Amino acid sequence: KNQVEQSPQSLIILEGKNCTLQCNYTVSPFSNLRWYKQDTGRGPVSLTIMTFSENTKSNGRYTATLDADTKQSSLHITASQLSDSASYICVVSAGTSGTYKYIFGTGTRLKVLA
Amino acid sequence: EAGVTQSPTHLIKTRGQQATLRCSPISGHTSVYWYQQALGLGLQFLLWYDEGEERNRGNFPPRFSGRQFPNYSSELNVNALELEDSALYLCASSLVGQGAGYTFGSGTRLTVV
Repeated sequence: KNQVEQSPQSLIILEGKNCTLQCNYTVSPFSNLRWYKQDTGRGPVSLTIMTFSENTKSNGRYTATLDADTKQSSLHITASQLSDSASYICVVSAGTSGTYKYIFGTGTRLKVLA
Repeated sequence: EAGVTQSPTHLIKTRGQQATLRCSPISGHTSVYWYQQALGLGLQFLLWYDEGEERNRGNFPPRFSGRQFPNYSSELNVNALELEDSALYLCASSLVGQGAGYTFGSGTRLTVV
């Protein structure tokens, strides 16, 4: 069964600190993995997208890693800011051309405190 | 380039009424996906349309329906509204066959009273 699990469910950190969010998946055949940031009441916004051959990808203070062997991904946030408070969703795309499915994790809710 | 646009932003309906939500995909995208996100919960897949046809459907009752128009825009209709239908409804679009993920709209907040 295709599944995407994220941990922790929620996280509270102080402004300026770093944090790492985890995403484990059992999806086949794997196509790509994307991290989204979703502010409360808004649509998700893409942070990074990673294919099978990519190990690390950065977008400003966000760095995503992918280990295709262990089927794990992480999102590392450096020097957190109050505006980083949001839900972070891991989405794995499975399938082959024309038959893609998107499997969503339930997200990690991050709260950054001043 | 315009992103995925959804309308209305907010919608308040009474229990038993019908709601119609609209989505315009990114230009060139043929696939539209609808998701429901109840407060504090993850995204639940509702419907996938491509080239005017329903390709897949999530575990929702038949009163959730929709369609895709020749210009690839889409409508989501929810009949006989229930209080638990109150949620953020998100639309996303993509190019089928790309497998590169997709782009979300900002959502429609539906409140059923």
